[in-house]
Amino acid sequence: GENVEQHPSTLSVQEGDSAVIKCTYSDSASNYFPWYKQELGKRPQLIIDIRSNVGEKKDQRIAVTLNKTAKHFSLHITETQPEDSAVYFCAASNRQNFVFGPGTRLSVLP
Amino acid sequence: DTGVSQDPRHKITKRGQNVTFRCDPISEHNRLYWYRQTLGQGPEFLTYFQNEAQLEKSRLLSDRFSAERPKGSFSTLEIQRTEQGDSAMYLCASSPPLGGLASPDTQYFGPGTRLTVL
Repeated sequence: GENVEQHPSTLSVQEGDSAVIKCTYSDSASNYFPWYKQELGKRPQLIIDIRSNVGEKKDQRIAVTLNKTAKHFSLHITETQPEDSAVYFCAASNRQNFVFGPGTRLSVLP
Repeated sequence: DTGVSQDPRHKITKRGQNVTFRCDPISEHNRLYWYRQTLGQGPEFLTYFQNEAQLEKSRLLSDRFSAERPKGSFSTLEIQRTEQGDSAMYLCASSPPLGGLASPDTQYFGPGTRLTVL
């Protein structure tokens, strides 16, 4: 079955700096890779996603890159703000089965 | 609120009791997923429905767990003979059908049911 690893588990950055979170997956059948942001006590919220036929996608301060050959994908947040502080989860999916990474706790220090 | 809803939001029960949770997906979403999330971990896939058919079930789902979606709309997740290890947040998510305007891959999560087994 699919296995998703995520690094780092915690990340602290200064406000305005960039943050990068990396994930690897094992199942070459996975073709959809979303990123979720979860604030304490709240539901996961989709922030960006990428499909296997695309190498990069950007939405304002957030970007995701995918390397299918190496089976890894990354989340990039630029110009971080205190409200970006949360736990971020990556996931790999073949639409029937979503496997989430263990999460990265991002702290943006003012 | 037209999002995914779950009921109850919190449930406290004693070990050995049965509990049932309900999930109402976004209208017209034909795919529905159940997850379990413990503190500090990512959501853990439990099961998946397409309409009323249960198409995928995690090996982690013991025979004490059962899920139904009888009419292809709301779903229930039942845990029999609860154990303290069942304490977790139970999340439901739904996805739109193929061929529509919205991406069929996107999952919309409900607020979850927090289960505490004493």
